[in-house]
Amino acid sequence: AQKITQTQPGMFVQEKEAVTLDCTYDTSDQSYGLFWYKQPSSGEMIFLIYQGSYDEQNATEGRYSLNFQKARKSANLVISASQLGDSAMYFCAMREGRGTGRRALTFGSGTRLQVQP
Amino acid sequence: EAQVTQNPRYLITVTGKKLTVTCSQNMNHEYMSWYRQDPGLGLRQIYYSMNVEVTDKGDVPEGYKVSRKEKRNFPLILESPSPNQTSLYFCASSLGQIPSTDTQYFGPGTRLTVL
Repeated sequence: AQKITQTQPGMFVQEKEAVTLDCTYDTSDQSYGLFWYKQPSSGEMIFLIYQGSYDEQNATEGRYSLNFQKARKSANLVISASQLGDSAMYFCAMREGRGTGRRALTFGSGTRLQVQP
Repeated sequence: EAQVTQNPRYLITVTGKKLTVTCSQNMNHEYMSWYRQDPGLGLRQIYYSMNVEVTDKGDVPEGYKVSRKEKRNFPLILESPSPNQTSLYFCASSLGQIPSTDTQYFGPGTRLTVL
């Protein structure tokens, strides 16, 4: 079963508007972390925002916020005031807290966001 | 500037010719890892290292070797590359503390083509 599901292969948004990228996850761990990364066309993987499973407040980083709904196992990324430079692939990822020290991130399949002028 | 660097960024090689992709971080991170990214398969972990001289296999280790002789460096070695190792490779590092809060920072990626 998929541990991270991103159901939107592609999204369009007008410049200066807000956009929500969906992410649902599956884990039986009580302790886990959720991460969003941005991958522009140049290929690098840029960390955007983190949410811990025990965090009661939604994480925010500048124009990025994470809408964390634990009971629904969703961790949607909200980008406010979209800019042309936000056009990229966005990945949701999870690291479960139990088990080995592998600390491997489990990634979703990504959402390609295109910001239109 | 805190960063993870990889070299080379682009490499085209031929089957069987040994190559090394270097990875270095300047954040004094204990944990380092290699991933490969392939269309339709996403990012998969190849090897990881919890600290100097401590390495272990990830999900797809076949055909790869790593070493961690110094804290800052974690090279990926392909002893005999094959075309199915054509991929985009990422090195990542993190502090190595509480697993669920441990943010991994990625290098810029190495695009490898094996002919």
